[in-house]
Amino acid sequence: DAKTTQPNSMESNEEEPVHLPCNHSTISGTDYIHWYRQLPSQGPEYVIHGLTSNVNNRMASLAIAEDRKSSTLILHRATLRDAAVYYCIAGYGQNFVFGPGTRLSVLP
Amino acid sequence: EAGVTQFPSHSVIEKGQTVTLRCDPISGHDNLYWYRRVMGKEIKFLLHFVKESKQDESGMPNNRFLAERTGGTYSTLKVQPAELEDSGVYFCASSEGSWPSQETQYFGPGTRLLVL
Repeated sequence: DAKTTQPNSMESNEEEPVHLPCNHSTISGTDYIHWYRQLPSQGPEYVIHGLTSNVNNRMASLAIAEDRKSSTLILHRATLRDAAVYYCIAGYGQNFVFGPGTRLSVLP
Repeated sequence: EAGVTQFPSHSVIEKGQTVTLRCDPISGHDNLYWYRRVMGKEIKFLLHFVKESKQDESGMPNNRFLAERTGGTYSTLKVQPAELEDSGVYFCASSEGSWPSQETQYFGPGTRLLVL
């Protein structure tokens, strides 16, 4: 399975962009890169996913390195509601593995 | 469109008792997954259904856990008998049937289980 590594925590000011990094050096060629986030007392929430090309949606952007060994989740303007644990996952089925994630704090 | 729902939201039982958790996936989703987070640890995969068939149950901790998905719609996860270490949050997720859409999983709010 493609193990991912992320910083334990990050901090951002409200209204500023946030770049959340993830390393997945052992990813296989067909594994998608997924990002989920979990707010307190809720289930994980889908944020974005991609395979090779950069992706944008209403929540965020995903920048994938050319060699696919790393990716960055970009929140263009952090809000207080974006404070959560963000998980980067590379794999499917039993290889859909949640690590400890990055705890994002957003300061007003 | 309704999301993934789970019932009950909370359950408190005594060691040795039986508890059954239910998950209703998003309508039309063939894939259904169970995960759990115990003792403040990381979320762990338990098993994966494709329609009514168990595609992968490698994450099931032991034979006290039984998952079913009769008719390929809702699923139940039964713990019998429950032990203290089973306390935690049990999440259900579902995804569409075809690749690559099946890669995106939608999670329910979880069932918080406390075994005393």
